[in-house]
Amino acid sequence: AQTVTQSQPEMSVQEAETVTLSCTYDTSENNYYLFWYKQPPSRQMILVIRQEAYKQQNATENRFSVNFQKAAKSFSLKISDSQLGDTAMYFCAFMKYSGNTPLVFGKGTRLSVIA
Amino acid sequence: DVKVTQSSRYLVKRTGEKVFLECVQDMDHENMFWYRQDPGLGLRLIYFSYDVKMKEKGDIPEGYSVSREKKERFSLILESASTNQTSMYLCASSALTPPNEKLFFGSGTQLSVL
Repeated sequence: AQTVTQSQPEMSVQEAETVTLSCTYDTSENNYYLFWYKQPPSRQMILVIRQEAYKQQNATENRFSVNFQKAAKSFSLKISDSQLGDTAMYFCAFMKYSGNTPLVFGKGTRLSVIA
Repeated sequence: DVKVTQSSRYLVKRTGEKVFLECVQDMDHENMFWYRQDPGLGLRLIYFSYDVKMKEKGDIPEGYSVSREKKERFSLILESASTNQTSMYLCASSALTPPNEKLFFGSGTQLSVL
């Protein structure tokens, strides 16, 4: 079974600074997807970024980027130029490369961006 | 705009009541999921379905059942609600065929069992 570990329950960052959220996972699969989801106080889950395991290049989406280390089974999220609207719960998730398998989520990291 | 709609945002029920949480998606997705979210525990999978009338147990199915009679609707049933089922419940859906990895979420139902 796959497991996802987020070792930082809470983090804070000053506005405009950079913060990195950690995620490690355990799997015997070779092909899979990794995700970061954001859940603001509205509770709506929002996909931030995704990475296919077969791609060596790290995914980026504007201010969000990942450091994907497949051998180390590590998938950290870097948020640059942090904004107040980035305040949210962030969940790391894993999915096997298959048509009907569910996402496995980590326990989440609560990020607070401070003005 | 694509949508996953959960019937209630907040729900208060009594211990022992039968509770139905409804989820409807308008994207013709094959896969539908029910997760439970608790502080410090993240999202845990209760049940999922990859086709009409099909269901698979997730990590924490005890005390729950599901129904999928139509493709767009996936219901979570608490046969006899208990206080330890007080939680936030999230429904999600995704397509079966690639690119299928994007999960669409509803806005959640906060259930309190008194």
